[in-house]
Amino acid sequence: LAKTTQPISMDSYEGQEVNITCSHNNIATNDYITWYQQFPSQGPRFIIQGYKTKVTNEVASLFIPADRKSSTLSLPRVSLSDTAVYYCLVGDSPTGANNLFFGTGTRLTVIP
Amino acid sequence: DTGVSQDPRHKITKRGQNVTFRCDPISEHNRLYWYRQTLGQGPEFLTYFQNEAQLEKSRLLSDRFSAERPKGSFSTLEIQRTEQGDSAMYLCASSPTLAYEQYFGPGTRLTVT
Repeated sequence: LAKTTQPISMDSYEGQEVNITCSHNNIATNDYITWYQQFPSQGPRFIIQGYKTKVTNEVASLFIPADRKSSTLSLPRVSLSDTAVYYCLVGDSPTGANNLFFGTGTRLTVIP
Repeated sequence: DTGVSQDPRHKITKRGQNVTFRCDPISEHNRLYWYRQTLGQGPEFLTYFQNEAQLEKSRLLSDRFSAERPKGSFSTLEIQRTEQGDSAMYLCASSPTLAYEQYFGPGTRLTVT
């Protein structure tokens, strides 16, 4: 089971780009990297997923180096509504839900 | 609203009582998951269903916990003889088969007094 390490918290000003890095040294060949966002009193919400190199969607970008031992979630021009906890997960979820480990996540606070 | 729904949203019970939570997944999703989340922690996996079959259970799921998904639609999570340590947010999620993205419901917050 590949566990992840993320910073506990980060602060950023509105309008800035935020990069949250996740370490997953024991990632397996079949594992994908997935990021979720969670607001208080709500369930997590899927943000983005990738296997290698770079993935971009309308919300974020995900950068994964060749060795796949880490990944970086990039949020462009954050706003106050991006204040949330961000979780990095590593696992081959389609074949086994037990491989999903959320950890404690990174609490992002966006400052006006 | 076609998202995942959970009922009730809040439950307060006395220690030793039984409680049951319900989850209605997105209708076309075959997979259904239950998680538990305590303050300051990420969700912890409890169990997962593929249609009506319960395929995986975490070691966290003690004998007092049971989950069902009759007919492969809604699911229930029952906790018998509740303890104060059971106080947590119980989250349900669903996904199509072979999809990584899980869609979470709003959760049921359980308080055991």
